[in-house]
Amino acid sequence: DVKVTQSSRYLVKRTGEKVFLECVQDMDHENMFWYRQDPGLGLRLIYFSYDVKMKEKGDIPEGYSVSREKKERFSLILESASTNQTSMYLCASSLLGQGNQPQHFGDGTRLSIL
Amino acid sequence: TQLLEQSPQFLSIQEGENLTVYCNSSSVFSSLQWYRQEPGEGPVLLVTVVTGGEVKKLKRLTFQFGDARKDSSLHITAAQPGDTGLYLCAGGENFNKFYFGSGTKLNVKP
Repeated sequence: DVKVTQSSRYLVKRTGEKVFLECVQDMDHENMFWYRQDPGLGLRLIYFSYDVKMKEKGDIPEGYSVSREKKERFSLILESASTNQTSMYLCASSLLGQGNQPQHFGDGTRLSIL
Repeated sequence: TQLLEQSPQFLSIQEGENLTVYCNSSSVFSSLQWYRQEPGEGPVLLVTVVTGGEVKKLKRLTFQFGDARKDSSLHITAAQPGDTGLYLCAGGENFNKFYFGSGTKLNVKP
């Protein structure tokens, strides 16, 4: 079974802090994704990566950056956290394909910025 | 604006009833996926449809992809409390980018 592990289930940080969210997958998937999930808005793509050191902006990249130094690990960074970044963050991975590969999700990190 | 619109947003029904959830877009997708998400967990894939007009069945769940590959529906027959959850559709583009709908929150009462 594919396992996608997010480092924290709950995280509370203060405005202006630098925040790191970590995600690790164990199935040698090429693609990794970071989404945020807000009520009524579904999942919105922040960044994705299809290879080590490669990254592509999603629909809402402002205020975020990512790092993929190893194939199994994809980190989301909030350079200077703000209250509007309070949300549920979901990491996912998938095989490279033609837009038909299933995405495997972690259980999410609920981040609160005070 | 959402690229994929799901309806209804909320649905509360009695056990044994049938229901249909819709996922509509003006864009064409290479595939359409349906996920179910339970509280405190990440979404889990139910099905992927890739061909226009395709119908797939998963026990009491029937999934259909529109002929023009812009819309999809999920029909549940004789709903059970275990079907309760958030249902999300996701349209796939080439090279793996996906767009998610806002979801349908289903509550099946015993």
